[in-house]
Amino acid sequence: KAGVTQTPRYLIKTRGQQVTLSCSPISGHRSVSWYQQTPGQGLQFLFEYFSETQRNKGNFPGRFSGRQFSNSRSEMNVSTLELGDSALYLCASSLELYNEQFFGPGTRLTVL
Amino acid sequence: GENVEQHPSTLSVQEGDSAVIKCTYSDSASNYFPWYKQELGKRPQLIIDIRSNVGEKKDQRIAVTLNKTAKHFSLHITETQPEDSAVYFCAARSDTGGFKTIFGAGTRLFVKA
Repeated sequence: KAGVTQTPRYLIKTRGQQVTLSCSPISGHRSVSWYQQTPGQGLQFLFEYFSETQRNKGNFPGRFSGRQFSNSRSEMNVSTLELGDSALYLCASSLELYNEQFFGPGTRLTVL
Repeated sequence: GENVEQHPSTLSVQEGDSAVIKCTYSDSASNYFPWYKQELGKRPQLIIDIRSNVGEKKDQRIAVTLNKTAKHFSLHITETQPEDSAVYFCAARSDTGGFKTIFGAGTRLFVKA
């Protein structure tokens, strides 16, 4: 069974631009969570989706948004990029809400 | 807001010794506590987890203990090996008002051969 995939793997943007990241969960998994990983802050929870519904959201500004499609694939969008948005963005999927999360390889976003 | 504190931030042990990492959580609704290992340049991988109705769980050289009263849980690695060197993250997950997993800041473990 294929693992969690994320595209693109690397992205370079400039301040003020917007970006869309994509996550394809393991087949059959309906729950997708997004995290921001930075060296100083560890993994910060962004949002969690289950069956196309955002179930919870972390403490990030409104510039960070996401959605989940009927096939459980998920996207997150960051508008008006800031230098501090440079990070590794990880998504994780699980079969149901209470099961083990499997992480994708991440998208490394660099904002210049 | 919800918070998970993890200590120590760095841990260096000799091969064969034990390593202990401790975490404290603030959300009393947390009921699932996973531990992840992340090697350099790789994705986090689950190594062990524990649910709130259990006080201890063991898997070969790895064990986790949970004290719900104190809101405290710990990871114990015995007979450490150089390949155990990595960053370890604890996390606490609650299901009140949606589902949210809060991670600790991580512990960088060095196992010296």
